[in-house]
Amino acid sequence: EIVLTQSPATLSLSPGESATLSCRTSQSVKNYLVWYQQKPGQAPRLLIYDASNRATGVPARFSGSGSGTDFTLTISSLEPEDFAVYYCQQRLNWPPLTFGGGTKVEIK
Amino acid sequence: EVWLVQSGGGLVQPGGSLRLSCEASGFVFSNYAMTWVRQAPGKGLEWVSVISTDGAKIGYADSVRGRFTVSRDNSNNALYLQMSSLRVDDSAVYFCAKGIRADSLDMAFDIWGQGTLVTVSS
Repeated sequence: EIVLTQSPATLSLSPGESATLSCRTSQSVKNYLVWYQQKPGQAPRLLIYDASNRATGVPARFSGSGSGTDFTLTISSLEPEDFAVYYCQQRLNWPPLTFGGGTKVEIK
Repeated sequence: EVWLVQSGGGLVQPGGSLRLSCEASGFVFSNYAMTWVRQAPGKGLEWVSVISTDGAKIGYADSVRGRFTVSRDNSNNALYLQMSSLRVDDSAVYFCAKGIRADSLDMAFDIWGQGTLVTVSS
C-alpha cells in the first residue's frame, strides 16, 4: 500500500497570501497524483489530476507540480472561498487507492 | 448537467445490512468507472471500492472486502453498494464518484454524489 503524507496539517493564512501544500508518497507514483478540495458538509471537488492538470472550471490560481514522491499544490493568492481541507490521492497502484490525511487551510 | 444522487443511508445495528444507491444523470453512465469513498465523522477520506464500466473489474479496501459488494446497473444508470456484517467503525458519510475519463480505469474522480450518512450503532 502506498502511504501519502501531507504537510502541514494546518496552514493559517490571510486572504491574498500564497499557500503551498505538500504531499509525499511512500514510493514513486510517477505523476499519478490527484488533489481535491473539500469544504465542510460538502463532497470533495477535483482540483488537479496527474500532478499538474487543472480540472474543468478550476481557477488558474491553483497549480500542481511534482513527480515521483514529492508533490505540491500551490494556491497563488487565497480567495475567501479557498479556505478548506485539501487531500491528495495516488492512482498508480490499486487496490487500494489511497488518500493523504489532508491539509486544512484556515483563515489567520 | 451532470449529477450523482445518493440514497439508502441510515441507522443500522452492528451486524446488520444496508444498501446504498447512486443514480447518475447527465452523462453516459456505462462509459465510466465508478467508486465509493467514505469519511468517518471528523476524519479524512477513505477509499472503499471501485467498479469498471462493465463490472468486470472490481476492487475493495481490505477493511470492507468480504462484507461489501459493489455493483452497477448500466441500463438504469445506477451504482450500488451492498453492505453487510456492518461494524461500528463503518459509520461514515459514503460518497459515490465518477471516473474522470470514459472507457478507462483512471482513478481520478470528477463528479461526486452529495454523500449519505451510515450510522452503525446499537
